[in-house]
Amino acid sequence: DQQVKQNSPSLSVQEGRISILNCDYTNSMFDYFLWYKKYPAEGPTFLISISSIKDKNEDGRFTVFLNKSAKHLSLHIVPSQPGDSAVYFCAATTGTASKLTFGTGTRLQVTL
Amino acid sequence: DSGVTQTPKHLITATGQRVTLRCSPRSGDLSVYWYQQSLDQGLQFLIHYYNGEERAKGNILERFSAQQFPDLHSELNLSSLELGDSALYFCASSPGQGFSGELFFGEGSRLTVL
Repeated sequence: DQQVKQNSPSLSVQEGRISILNCDYTNSMFDYFLWYKKYPAEGPTFLISISSIKDKNEDGRFTVFLNKSAKHLSLHIVPSQPGDSAVYFCAATTGTASKLTFGTGTRLQVTL
Repeated sequence: DSGVTQTPKHLITATGQRVTLRCSPRSGDLSVYWYQQSLDQGLQFLIHYYNGEERAKGNILERFSAQQFPDLHSELNLSSLELGDSALYFCASSPGQGFSGELFFGEGSRLTVL
């Protein structure tokens, strides 16, 4: 049972444009959501997070939007840069859990 | 550099064998988590240790076991290996007992079972 889903395995965006990565979840108990970025041969690194009491969180070029009624979150990267090319994982957890549940990832390629 | 160290980085072995993966958490972190990433899959939670004690178990096979030692490093033991155990195994650490905002991941140990 895939509780966190990233339905787009890959995405290609031109440099300078907006990248939008999507994530859906099924477990209504999830109340904290994170995005991790992973480069080849490296471990995932934390990018940005959002609590379920918010619907938007912004950090520089990165903004995460949460739509609780639709059980959907998205990551916006504006403007996209070649260095953003990586695999992006969406993850979720509940307040009392000690684990993260990850999606399968979306490979973003930012082209020149 | 996350501060989490995993060894070995790569490991090739045969079916039926046993291997041990090692993880040293960030300095000061008391929690260690193990995750498995199979081909084209997300990271699957295996197990969580806090200060030497098991705190949560995920989809960890009975052939797999883990422990966290007094110096807080952790080992994941995989036995009677099967082809399907080939995967990237990540260790992550965090300061507290429960989830506290983010996990810091090591670079992973890539296991290939032939």
